[in-house]
Amino acid sequence: GESVGLHLPTLSVQEGDNSIINCAYSNSASDYFIWYKQESGKGPQFIIDIRSNMDKRQGQRVTVLLNKTVKHLSLQIAATQPGDSAVYFCAENEDSGAGSYQLTFGKGTKLSVIP
Amino acid sequence: GAVVSQHPSRVICKSGTSVKIECRSLDFQATTMFWYRQFPKQSLMLMATSNEGSKATYEQGVEKDKFLINHASLTLSTLTVTSAHPEDSSFYICSAREGGKRTDTQYFGPGTRLTVL
Repeated sequence: GESVGLHLPTLSVQEGDNSIINCAYSNSASDYFIWYKQESGKGPQFIIDIRSNMDKRQGQRVTVLLNKTVKHLSLQIAATQPGDSAVYFCAENEDSGAGSYQLTFGKGTKLSVIP
Repeated sequence: GAVVSQHPSRVICKSGTSVKIECRSLDFQATTMFWYRQFPKQSLMLMATSNEGSKATYEQGVEKDKFLINHASLTLSTLTVTSAHPEDSSFYICSAREGGKRTDTQYFGPGTRLTVL
């Protein structure tokens, strides 16, 4: 199947600054995306999702932007805090056949917040 | 949000032994459960998908006779790594989804760190 990938493997930001994590996808038929946060030694935690009929969605301190023209997804974190340090994955919910869906994860970006 | 638990959180075993990992959805009934494997500094790779009462569907390259999955109830799925070898050492993560819609949220367990000596 087609893959979901990330531009930057690592990102270091100063505490209080905004963070932007990018993701490129290759399946033009993709219509549902999710961002997950994974702290060291833990399972992924849902952050925010977006459907293809939207180009922007906001949560608490996070915003996801979707550009279907260039097949690009980004996660913006406002006023980054030390607790935001983690690996962030974008994921695409793909049709696996017979009406079933499964997540395909990107490579991940490690966010390090500098105090 | 919904809670998914895994047990044990960490296991160390000798080569050749079998290890069972449990995954439970604590406050919802999971129509579908998923098992992932994650090697250090890598992404999650789907191993198999299971629906309650049905045989699991394994991803290409995953040996079904080595990684036995049992989804006996709507709140419990187990993964048994049979005849484990050092190359099976990894972080195993389960996930559960209540419904079958694309937009139904998948909740992840905390993971199980398997080390095979």
